[in-house]
Amino acid sequence: KQEVTQIPAALSVPEGENLVLNCSFTDSAIYNLQWFRQDPGKGLTSLLLIQSSQREQTSGRLNASLDKSSGRSTLYIAASQPGDSATYLCAVRPNSGGSNYKLTFGKGTLLTVNP
Amino acid sequence: GAGVSQSPRYKVTKRGQDVALRCDPISGHVSLYWYRQALGQGPEFLTYFNYEAQQDKSGLPNDRFSAERPEGSISTLTIQRTEQRDSAMYRCASSSTGTSRGEQYFGPGTRLTVT
Repeated sequence: KQEVTQIPAALSVPEGENLVLNCSFTDSAIYNLQWFRQDPGKGLTSLLLIQSSQREQTSGRLNASLDKSSGRSTLYIAASQPGDSATYLCAVRPNSGGSNYKLTFGKGTLLTVNP
Repeated sequence: GAGVSQSPRYKVTKRGQDVALRCDPISGHVSLYWYRQALGQGPEFLTYFNYEAQQDKSGLPNDRFSAERPEGSISTLTIQRTEQRDSAMYRCASSSTGTSRGEQYFGPGTRLTVT
């Protein structure tokens, strides 16, 4: 059974700092990995989706990397801003089997960026 | 265009009552998913529809939970005889393709509280 772990569970940083969120997964047979942002009262917003054949994806100040063989992904946020404060979730999609639509999520990292 | 919508956004009910949660997917999306997210956890898969067919209900916790999508669009998740342990955020997602690999877009969720 796939297990996804996110470290740290919570992180508080001053504005302007660069930071890294970590995600690890136990089964490397994944189709893709996705990073989501969760804001209170809102849905999950997809930030970056990395296919299993890719090593990284970038969007603005965000960069996500994937090392499928070691079961790890990182989300790098450059020059953090208070508006980045949210919970960040990592989710993997399996590559094999009849249930390859099921996303398995980690518990998330609660990020607080202080002005 | 409009995203996935869910109603009600918040529901407080007394133990033993039945509740119905509604999901309106993105127009034209053929696949629909329900997830449940407990406080401090990531979303967990409940069930999956392709058009009106319920393809997978393996994540439904017990027979008090059921879901339908009779016309292949709007879906309803029903919980009978609610219990306090059913309190959670219920999230719906939809995807565009008829295959299981379409990217899932999430709605804002319904926060269910059973007192």
